[in-house]
Amino acid sequence: ETGVTQSPTHLIKTRGQQVTLRCSSQSGHNTVSWYQQALGQGPQFIFQYYREEENGRGNFPPRFSGLQFPNYSSELNVNALELDDSALYLCASSLARGETNYGYTFGSGTRLTVV
Amino acid sequence: AQSVTQLGSHVSVSEGALVLLRCNYSSSVPPYLFWYVQYPNQGLQLLLKYTSAATLVKGINGFEAEFKKSETSFHLTKPSAHMSDAAEYFCAVRAAGNKLTFGGGTRVLVKP
Repeated sequence: ETGVTQSPTHLIKTRGQQVTLRCSSQSGHNTVSWYQQALGQGPQFIFQYYREEENGRGNFPPRFSGLQFPNYSSELNVNALELDDSALYLCASSLARGETNYGYTFGSGTRLTVV
Repeated sequence: AQSVTQLGSHVSVSEGALVLLRCNYSSSVPPYLFWYVQYPNQGLQLLLKYTSAATLVKGINGFEAEFKKSETSFHLTKPSAHMSDAAEYFCAVRAAGNKLTFGGGTRVLVKP
């Protein structure tokens, strides 16, 4: 069984640019969540995708957007990058059936640095 | 609304001593509770989870946690610390909806 794979592992962008981060779900999982972890802090929920639709969103502006594909992989897009967007971005996949979620598997993250 | 508070951003223990990491939560519905460990430059690894079955939960690497509803706590313990336990530990709650809400984390230093 494969785990959650994120790419790239590290990325440096300039303020104002756009970035796309990618996540491959664990085999058998149908839900993907994205989290932002600033240095020295706990992860913060950005949003979740289920059946290719956004299924919950945290307190992040619209310039944070995402996609989920038919194979359950996902992308996180951030437009108009700001210095405060520098963080570790974590993807978590899970299996959800109705209201039951069977647990989350996290990837190793993408470290984004905005200069 | 749900929230998690981890008491102590840093904990220092001697090798072989008890590890105790504190977590208190607030939730308007019965919660699911989790402890994750994060090693430097890595993602989160699940240590254990509480899903309304037994209140004492055993996890990997000798860790366990006890759910106490009356105290809204879910403290993590390990009887004997090992050098490999040096890492950052996060408590998280999932209540309404599917998002996890994390505490600020506790960094554990193990002294030889």
